[in-house]
Amino acid sequence: AQSVTQLGSHVSVSEGALVLLRCNYSSSVPPYLFWYVQYPNQGLQLLLKYTSAATLVKGINGFEAEFKKSETSFHLTKPSAHMSDAAEYFCAVSEGYSSASKIIFGSGTRLSIRP
Amino acid sequence: GAGVSQSPSNKVTEKGKDVELRCDPISGHTALYWYRQSLGQGLEFLIYFQGNSAPDKSGLPSDRFSAERTGGSVSTLTIQRTQQEDSAVYLCASSPQWTSGGVDTQYFGPGTRLTVL
Repeated sequence: AQSVTQLGSHVSVSEGALVLLRCNYSSSVPPYLFWYVQYPNQGLQLLLKYTSAATLVKGINGFEAEFKKSETSFHLTKPSAHMSDAAEYFCAVSEGYSSASKIIFGSGTRLSIRP
Repeated sequence: GAGVSQSPSNKVTEKGKDVELRCDPISGHTALYWYRQSLGQGLEFLIYFQGNSAPDKSGLPSDRFSAERTGGSVSTLTIQRTQQEDSAVYLCASSPQWTSGGVDTQYFGPGTRLTVL
């Protein structure tokens, strides 16, 4: 079964600093991978996804993630943090490739931005 | 219970039939969310409950979709006259409390895989 591990339940960075949120998956076959974000008092929304095309995936709000098969990682980065980036971020992996494949979520990383 | 549970885990139905999906949140969690996940579209927020009321129904895709929650606990998502495009995994999540301005950690159920033939 697929699983996702997010290292660090809480990450705090200064405004303008690099954001790095870590995600590792367990799979012998390259899966589909996702990052979701949950802003305060809102539901989850898709930030970006990897579907076996380019290994560097660009998402909304300046975020990007790089798929590294050798490291089974899909870390999320943003060069310069903004106060509005404070949210909870979830990494997720699909169990399959069909339209109804279940996705497995990581436990989430709460990102705080210091002024 | 240990976590959020959903039933059934899999549901296959014929186009035009009604289906009911059930979510049992973690005991004591006041907030409950429904999402729909289809691979081509990522995760889609459907509806949110705080207690028994639904302050945010903005994600329900059509009037064929409805949801209710009774006793501040179990929630049922009903899809009437199902269509093939309703095929997806339906996820439920609960969180312990609504914190104004805060970020609630959501605990997700395993999902219900719905296939409409």
